[in-house]
Amino acid sequence: AQSVTQLGSHVSVSEGALVLLRCNYSSSVPPYLFWYVQYPNQGLQLLLKYTTGATLVKGINGFEAEFKKSETSFHLTKPSAHMSDAAEYFCAVSDPGGAQKLVFGQGTRLTINP
Amino acid sequence: EAGVAQSPRYKIIEKRQSVAFWCNPISGHATLYWYQQILGQGPKLLIQFQNNGVVDDSQLPKDRFSAERLKGVDSTLKIQPAKLEDSAVYLCASSRVGQSTDTQYFGPGTRLTVL
Repeated sequence: AQSVTQLGSHVSVSEGALVLLRCNYSSSVPPYLFWYVQYPNQGLQLLLKYTTGATLVKGINGFEAEFKKSETSFHLTKPSAHMSDAAEYFCAVSDPGGAQKLVFGQGTRLTINP
Repeated sequence: EAGVAQSPRYKIIEKRQSVAFWCNPISGHATLYWYQQILGQGPKLLIQFQNNGVVDDSQLPKDRFSAERLKGVDSTLKIQPAKLEDSAVYLCASSRVGQSTDTQYFGPGTRLTVL
């Protein structure tokens, strides 16, 4: 069975600092990987996804993530945090092929300090 | 393009009562999902429809939860009777065809409080 672990339920960074949100997965086959963001009282929005090809994936709002098979990781980064990045971030996995079934991590709440 | 619509946005009921949630997916999207998001946790898939057929309902508590997607468009999720542990946000999502590479688009959710 697949599972996702997000290290750190809360992360706090200063405005302008590097954002690093950690995601590790467990899967019997290399999965497809996703990062979603959830702003207060809103649904989830896709930031980026890795399916095949280049392991460094660029997404919206300046975020990027790198798929590292040897480390079973898909960490999310952004070079310089903005106040508008404050939200909850979810990493998710899905088996490649067939119907999509997302398994989500527990989420990381990102706080940006002025 | 209009997004995924859900109603109501908030619902408060007493335990043992029944409740229903409604979802209107993005036009033309064949696949519709219902998720349960308990406070402090990630969303958990309850049921997945492909057009009006069920693809996966393995995590749906079928003794109290039911869902339907008539005509392959709108969907309703019902809980009867509700328990305290059903307090959660219920998210509806849709995707074009439901393939593993698809993007799921989420609605704003319905926040259910069971007293």
